[in-house]
Amino acid sequence: TQLLEQSPQFLSIQEGENLTVYCNSSSVFSSLQWYRQEPGEGPVLLVTVVTGGEVKKLKRLTFQFGDARKDSSLHITAAQPGDTGLYLCAYSGAGSYQLTFGKGTKLSVIP
Amino acid sequence: DTAVSQTPKYLVTQMGNDKSIKCEQNLGHDTMYWYKQDSKKFLKIMFSYNNKELIINETVPNRFSPKSPDKAHLNLHINSLELGDSAVYFCASSHGALDYGYTFGSGTRLTVV
Repeated sequence: TQLLEQSPQFLSIQEGENLTVYCNSSSVFSSLQWYRQEPGEGPVLLVTVVTGGEVKKLKRLTFQFGDARKDSSLHITAAQPGDTGLYLCAYSGAGSYQLTFGKGTKLSVIP
Repeated sequence: DTAVSQTPKYLVTQMGNDKSIKCEQNLGHDTMYWYKQDSKKFLKIMFSYNNKELIINETVPNRFSPKSPDKAHLNLHINSLELGDSAVYFCASSHGALDYGYTFGSGTRLTVV
């Protein structure tokens, strides 16, 4: 089982600031997914990245998959209180139905 | 019009009791899952069913037994509940390749007292 390390574990910032959170492993991923979980709810899929070097944008969120497909980052521009939540990265092995999650980054955006 | 619905949302029960959590999805997905999220928010897979067949069965005490009467339902029955079973349990479903990701229910917070 590949180990996913997410950093930082906790992040508290002011509204309007930019931030980046990271998801790293020593192994190569066939694909990687990012989810956001709000309190009292289940995780919601934000994006799937598949190709090394791939960059995907979702409004103010920018996701990047490392060239070697061992790491990924999520950058949020001009954070808003609505971005508050637990950000989880997850991978699945080729042909596998199982998603393995990292421990998450808990983001708080203060108005 | 909920895609993946779990009941109950909250469950408080005494040690030693038996309880069930129900899950239903209306997305037409062929694979369903149970995940456990501990107090540190770590999500760990417990079981997965594909078209009513068990395909993933992680190291989980055999007090936990999943049942899938059809591919739209996956229930979780827990016998002889222990304090350490307290957690949030999430049901999820997916269709085919995981490029489309999972759709999660909103969770069942189980508290064993």
